[in-house]
Amino acid sequence: GAVVSQHPSRVICKSGTSVKIECRSLDFQATTMFWYRQFPKQSLMLMATSNEGSKATYEQGVEKDKFLINHASLTLSTLTVTSAHPEDSSFYICSARDPRSYNEQFFGPGTRLTVL
Amino acid sequence: DQQVKQNSPSLSVQEGRISILNCDYTNSMFDYFLWYKKYPAEGPTFLISISSIKDKNEDGRFTVFLNKSAKHLSLHIVPSQPGDSAVYFCAASARGTQGGSEKLVFGKGTKLTVNP
Repeated sequence: GAVVSQHPSRVICKSGTSVKIECRSLDFQATTMFWYRQFPKQSLMLMATSNEGSKATYEQGVEKDKFLINHASLTLSTLTVTSAHPEDSSFYICSARDPRSYNEQFFGPGTRLTVL
Repeated sequence: DQQVKQNSPSLSVQEGRISILNCDYTNSMFDYFLWYKKYPAEGPTFLISISSIKDKNEDGRFTVFLNKSAKHLSLHIVPSQPGDSAVYFCAASARGTQGGSEKLVFGKGTKLTVNP
């Protein structure tokens, strides 16, 4: 299947700082990427849909000024958690749809964010 | 309102036997369903999918059954192997005939343990 990478895999930061997470499609071009968040023992919750060259579409209840998404190229989307707080600590996962594959989304390995 | 439900948080089976994971959905607009496997601190890995025009899809040891009238799908793994131990997520989307939405709605997952 298609390969999606995320960086970093794990980050610990102080409250009030900003953290940037990168999501890359390694062997295909993705016009659309998705950002999810997963709390322990919970489902993956879609945060936003990232569209190359245009603004991201955020799900209801997700603050767009707090979770900044930039999809500057067909292989890279970034999620920046601004002014992070302990309640932002979570597992953040991105996915991308490979245009060679009709419906399957391929997921990155995830980023564990811990805000102290 | 949880549109995709996996009511069993965990399942334990003996190696070589069949594992049956269940998933129910409430949104009648869903027309594409997927199963993902996930290990701790990793992103989900796509397993198998089914379109609403089918009622069964098979791929090796994995078979997904869809009962549209009951809004129910199940994943059968046979024979089960210890390496199958993971959390399995059911996901659904409403793509429609005009492309629809690529957004995936996930269940909370079922933790499968296959005992040697």
